[in-house]
This record gives sequence, structure tokens and C-alpha cells, in this order.
Amino acid sequence: ELQLTESGGAVVQPGGSLRVSCAASGFNLNDHNMHWVRQAPGKGLEWVSLLSWDGGSTYYADSVKGRFTISRDTGKNSLYLQMNSLRIDDTAFYFCATHEDSYSAYDRSLDFWGPGTLVTVSS
Amino acid sequence: SFVLTQPPSVSVAPGQTARITCGGNNIGGQSVHWYQQRPGQAPMLVVYDDSDRPSGIPERFSGSNSGNMATLTISRVEAGDEADYYCQVWASSSDQGVFGTGTKVTVL
Repeated sequence: ELQLTESGGAVVQPGGSLRVSCAASGFNLNDHNMHWVRQAPGKGLEWVSLLSWDGGSTYYADSVKGRFTISRDTGKNSLYLQMNSLRIDDTAFYFCATHEDSYSAYDRSLDFWGPGTLVTVSS
Repeated sequence: SFVLTQPPSVSVAPGQTARITCGGNNIGGQSVHWYQQRPGQAPMLVVYDDSDRPSGIPERFSGSNSGNMATLTISRVEAGDEADYYCQVWASSSDQGVFGTGTKVTVL
């Protein structure tokens, strides 16, 4: 069964950096488009970033462009989100998510989600 | 950037029908997906590609999409349907994912 588990959430000061991880099991992460989605406490969902299945393309929300970097480690079957220059409004639960099928188009649904990891940016 | 607008809240009595709208410029030309999120949980897909249901989702959940509006319809509403609901598309014009503003469904 396809599973995703995020980790690495922490409390970090404004201007700081943090890397959150998403461990995949039950499927090969290299064959799937992988997304990060976040949700500030009490607020709605916000799409953050996409890494294409072939690893050749990355996409970002305007709010994080130039500060966040999505990547993966094929050997560890894990996805990462490196977050730099963190701001108070980056405080959120960060979810990784993917579509069920391999090699899918970007506009496919997000069928599987991890439980999320909480990043708190505070002084 | 592409914006998807949902009503903040919808209230419905048990057994009645809830309709949640998702407005966006020419959204009818895109594939719309709908997610249910209960407090403290990750979102869960309830409708994909405008009107298809994943395995395990009751037939009471249905979707439509045309023009500038997509709609999620929940028939014969049950107490367990009380949750937040979000629409979502991939905006090819900007190569970004977009979620709707979210709708809280309250079962009276």
C-alpha cells in the first residue's frame, strides 16, 4: 500500500532554514509527480511545490519561489523541501502528496497524503 | 494567478442536499478535484476529474463542472459529512497548483 510520512518539522526563528522530509513506501517515488501542500493553523490549503516524476522539472507557488527548494533522494525513496529565509507566515503543517498512477500528468488528483509535519516560525 | 472561490460555509439538515460551489475563470476547461478534510486530519480525495469517485467514496458524493463554476453535491447528508471541503486544479497558465478557499459544511 502506498504510504507517505513527513518528518522534520520544528520551531525555527524568522530568517532561519529548515528541511522537511517525506518518506515514501509501497511505491517508487521516482515514478510519481510529488507535491508539497501546506496549511497554516486554522486556515485553508495552499499548494507549495511540485517535483516531476522524471526529476527534470520543479514548480513553486509565488509565495515561496526563490526561498524553497524541492528535491528527492532516490536511494532513500524520500522527498525533501528545503526552506530558507523563513517568515512568520510560513508557519504551517506541511503535507506531501501524490497521484496513484506513475508517469501521470500534472493535473491529476492528489490521491495519497501524509499526515503532515508542523513547522513553526517564531522568535 | 488563478483564483478559486468557494463559499466560506454551507449549513444543511441531515438527509438534505449540500451543494458547494467553486468559481474560477473558465474552470470548465480544467479537471477539478475535491477534498474533504476533518479536523486534525490530512485531506482526503472525494471526487476527481470533475465527477469521478475514488473507490470507497459513497455515491452520495457527486461533482459537475461547466463554464466558470464547478460544484460538489452531497446528497442525503449525514452527520459524518461535517468537514471542510476544498476544490483544486492545476493551473497550466502559470504551472502551479491551486486550491479553493475552502467551505465548512455544518450538519444541523
